[in-house]
Amino acid sequence: DAKTTQPPSMDCAEGRAANLPCNHSTISGNEYVYWYRQIHSQGPQYIIHGLKNNETNEMASLIITEDRKSSTLILPHATLRDTAVYYCTATRRGSQGNLIFGKGTKLSVKP
Amino acid sequence: DAGVIQSPRHEVTEMGQEVTLRCKPISGHNSLFWYRQTMMRGLELLIYFNNNVPIDDSGMPEDRFSAKMPNASFSTLKIQPSEPRDSAVYFCASSLGDSGGKLFFGSGTQLSVL
Repeated sequence: DAKTTQPPSMDCAEGRAANLPCNHSTISGNEYVYWYRQIHSQGPQYIIHGLKNNETNEMASLIITEDRKSSTLILPHATLRDTAVYYCTATRRGSQGNLIFGKGTKLSVKP
Repeated sequence: DAGVIQSPRHEVTEMGQEVTLRCKPISGHNSLFWYRQTMMRGLELLIYFNNNVPIDDSGMPEDRFSAKMPNASFSTLKIQPSEPRDSAVYFCASSLGDSGGKLFFGSGTQLSVL
């Protein structure tokens, strides 16, 4: 699976959009990008995933660059409850889900 | 849906004792994963099962660790004998085998080995 790189921490003002970047320059054509978040003392929570098209769901939007070497998770209106560690990871189509997590980005949403 | 259920939530034991962590996956899910999380090493995949069969246990740190999945609704992770460096949060997760990387995690077991 592709190695991913994320900034260790970011701040965001409450009500503003939070844009979390992820670099996955070694991603292969059949690997999906997955995003999870982990709120303190809870298990990781699935957010969204994509292959090459932009994706949106009730939690967030995922923008993947055309060359697929990087992506951005967008929380359109961050709230204090969005404070968490956000993980970007990749796994191939048809995988049984054995995800490898890096250190993630600690997002702090401030009032 | 009750989600992935792990027990106990907290476990405190003394070095050398046997520890058994339990997991009930989401009904209908056929893949199950055990992860360990520490400050130093982050989230580490220990082992995963597909249709109750262990597929990859390369993340299991030592022979002191063992995992079983006797049926589709139950799995255990056992540490015998336990050591202080095993102190961590242990997460179980499950997924539909063909859903790729969409995992559902339990709330974890906080293990402290004194």
